[in-house]
Amino acid sequence: AQKITQTQPGMFVQEKEAVTLDCTYDTSDPSYGLFWYKQPSSGEMIFLIYQGSYDQQNATEGRYSLNFQKARKSANLVISASQLGDSAMYFCAMREGPAYNTDKLIFGTGTRLQVFP
Amino acid sequence: GAVVSQHPSRVICKSGTSVKIECRSLDFQATTMFWYRQFPKQSLMLMATSNEGSKATYEQGVEKDKFLINHASLTLSTLTVTSAHPEDSSFYICSAPPWQYTDTQYFGPGTRLTVL
Repeated sequence: AQKITQTQPGMFVQEKEAVTLDCTYDTSDPSYGLFWYKQPSSGEMIFLIYQGSYDQQNATEGRYSLNFQKARKSANLVISASQLGDSAMYFCAMREGPAYNTDKLIFGTGTRLQVFP
Repeated sequence: GAVVSQHPSRVICKSGTSVKIECRSLDFQATTMFWYRQFPKQSLMLMATSNEGSKATYEQGVEKDKFLINHASLTLSTLTVTSAHPEDSSFYICSAPPWQYTDTQYFGPGTRLTVL
């Protein structure tokens, strides 16, 4: 079974509008972390936002927010006020286990976001 | 912020040759680094976990004799693709979690390997 599922292979959004990228996960470990990364055409992976399984509040980082619904096992990324530079691949990832900084990340298949004027 | 570098960024080699890729943490020490591979239009797949001072841990299906990993210091891990073949052509990217931060992993810029 897929640990991380991103059901949207591609998304379009108009500049200045908000967009939600979906991510669901599957784990039986009570301690886990959820990440979102942006990968532009250059290939680098840019860290966007993190949500821990025990965090009470949804994470926010500037224009990025994570809609964490633990019971539904979803961790959707919301980008507000989209910009042309937001066009890229977006990957959701999960670390299964406590934050000891030694656990690997499991990635979803990604969503390609295209922002148009 | 934390920075991870990779060298080279791009390499083209002939089939049968070996290629070494370096991953460095520039402003933090990393006892663990991770090596991922990404084929075109696909996601990142973990290949191995590089451990400073000990043997690397390889994921199922990854040939340890083909992908040699050496974590010689707290800031450097190397991946050597031995006897490379065209099917090894891929984007190789490393990551490192800074010990002093929690819940964060930083990725290098990646190395695009093309085997002719």
